[in-house]
Amino acid sequence: DAGITQSPRHKVTETGTPVTLRCHQTENHRYMYWYRQDPGHGLRLIHYSYGVKDTDKGEVSDGYSVSRSKTEDFLLTLESATSSQTSVYFCAISESMVASQDTQYFGPGTRLTVL
Amino acid sequence: QKEVEQDPGPLSVPEGAIVSLNCTYSNSAFQYFMWYRQYSRKGPELLMYTYSSGNKEDGRFTAQVDKSSKYISLFIRDSQPSDSATYLCAMSPNTGNQFYFGTGTSLTVIP
Repeated sequence: DAGITQSPRHKVTETGTPVTLRCHQTENHRYMYWYRQDPGHGLRLIHYSYGVKDTDKGEVSDGYSVSRSKTEDFLLTLESATSSQTSVYFCAISESMVASQDTQYFGPGTRLTVL
Repeated sequence: QKEVEQDPGPLSVPEGAIVSLNCTYSNSAFQYFMWYRQYSRKGPELLMYTYSSGNKEDGRFTAQVDKSSKYISLFIRDSQPSDSATYLCAMSPNTGNQFYFGTGTSLTVIP
């Protein structure tokens, strides 16, 4: 998994509670991404980061926030978890923002269930 | 209409068969085309990466891009049970690194 770890790997939580997922990389890649994967929707981009403290929204960012205080760590926070956020969350990294120079490499995923 | 369309399958073939997986897309700006393989409960792993139209071969795998038809394919020759996985297509325009993914095709190769 290209030097990417995600924690926790599994989590069950209740509606309304905040949840933070962590992505850690050892590749020193500049760009990091959070996706969610749901049946019938494939992978959808939530947020991405193009450097320490530099982040931007993706396709499905509502209800999520991110932070990146170090190159190696990218945190995804569900401010108040809802059942619609039950999903598998993947972190990805890339060395370049330009597809011609690099592609994205994925972590092992976090399976989140919101009851 | 989704940017990328992919038949979800499931697809079941006998060992040794040739497998054809396909995606269509609507955005003519897409220049980079990827295939990822995802085993059950694992993250996607990059299988093939191609630029613009044409073919690219890597062992038993061949990726084909037809930009005029907005259609990409992945062929697997001499399929093996270890090829059983979900295959995701992904594509990106020339600028930026926003990837657009298909929903994935589930493949089972029966021994």
